[in-house]
Amino acid sequence: EVQLVESGGGLVQPGGSLRLSCAASGFTFSNYWMSWVRQAPGKGLEWVANIKQDESVKYYVDSVKGRFTISRDNAKNSLYLQMNSLSAEDTAVYYCAKLGLTGSWYFDYWGQGTLVTVSS
Amino acid sequence: DIQMTQSPSSLSASVGDRVTITCRASQTISSSLNWYQQKPGKAPKLLIYAASSLQSGVPLRFSGSGSGTDFTLTISSLQPEDFATYYCQHSYSIPWTFGQGTKVEVK
Repeated sequence: EVQLVESGGGLVQPGGSLRLSCAASGFTFSNYWMSWVRQAPGKGLEWVANIKQDESVKYYVDSVKGRFTISRDNAKNSLYLQMNSLSAEDTAVYYCAKLGLTGSWYFDYWGQGTLVTVSS
Repeated sequence: DIQMTQSPSSLSASVGDRVTITCRASQTISSSLNWYQQKPGKAPKLLIYAASSLQSGVPLRFSGSGSGTDFTLTISSLQPEDFATYYCQHSYSIPWTFGQGTKVEVK
């Protein structure tokens, strides 16, 4: 059974940093692209970042470029999101998601999410 | 960026109703369109990928159609567990974007 478990969320002051983790199990982690998707309270979904299996390719939404870094450790079956220079607009539930491996791109499994609150 | 617009934003329906949700892209996205269901406090769940392919384990009452700019999610006979918010999402080019969501409520 595929499982994705996020951790590392919490309350952080504006301008601060936070590192999210996602522990993966139930599939061969090193074979798949992975993503982060976020959802502000009461709002819709926003794709944040993608990372290729070997970390050679990374994509980001413009609003986090230069502030967030996606990374992974295939030996530990783990995905990470380093978030710097946080602002209130980054307050959201952050989901780790696995990408499907067919010719199409889609999020086929999601974690339960971890809440990040940016406030003084 | 490609904008995704869903309609309606919300709808009221009864168990057994046929429900149709529309998603329109601001430019052509071929068949790079996915549908998700989200219940309150839960993570989204993939229903349909590549516009019309049913994800494993998803009931057959869910179906998707369309290509280019106009897409549809249909629930053939609404069940009690289908009351939720539905999102479309394109994966044609970076950045991937979602529609604003359609909330399906009890009539």
